[in-house]
Amino acid sequence: GAGVSQTPSNKVTEKGKYVELRCDPISGHTALYWYRQSLGQGPEFLIYFQGTGAADDSGLPNDRFFAVRPEGSVSTLKIQRTERGDSAVYLCASSSTSGGPYNEQFFGPGTRLTVL
Amino acid sequence: AQSVSQHNHHVILSEAASLELGCNYSYGGTVNLFWYVQYPGQHLQLLLKYFSGDPLVKGIKGFEAEFIKSKFSFNLRKPSVQWSDTAEYFCAVGSTGRRALTFGSGTRLQVQP
Repeated sequence: GAGVSQTPSNKVTEKGKYVELRCDPISGHTALYWYRQSLGQGPEFLIYFQGTGAADDSGLPNDRFFAVRPEGSVSTLKIQRTERGDSAVYLCASSSTSGGPYNEQFFGPGTRLTVL
Repeated sequence: AQSVSQHNHHVILSEAASLELGCNYSYGGTVNLFWYVQYPGQHLQLLLKYFSGDPLVKGIKGFEAEFIKSKFSFNLRKPSVQWSDTAEYFCAVGSTGRRALTFGSGTRLQVQP
């Protein structure tokens, strides 16, 4: 079946611009996560959705970052007034929440964001 | 707060050599431990996981890991690596009540034929 998909695969923008990154989780997965991976680092948690609501947004670095999941499926990560330090690969993952509290997170291919 | 340390940043081995990648975590409560792998050009995928029970966990492709609670460690092992094991390996920890994973910085494994 289809895995987690993310669009665009690459995004180049200029400092100060607004960007939106999209994640389409595996069908039926109620949990959705956003992570950010900088060069030479492991993924760093940003936000977790259970259904439509953000259950944990403790990883968002500041108020320029915002994410939504209005219908409990597709999610959009929004970054305002981008800065060069926002350049990274943004990863989305989804998981089922049936059968236990810690199901495998399935990762998408990521969106590589470059802020010039 | 949780943290994860992976001691080896870059490991180069010849085929058939044995592999052990170190992972130490910092967290005082009950943890769930994972190893993820990212092959060149591919997504992160789960190699193995530990929740409870037998501390020796077997995963895909002949990998295993041992949870040693007293050492806060979850090292990854494979008796004989293959060229196809060339990839980046990430250790991650989750805790009860918090679904977000904390990842280590990764170990890049290069297996020479």
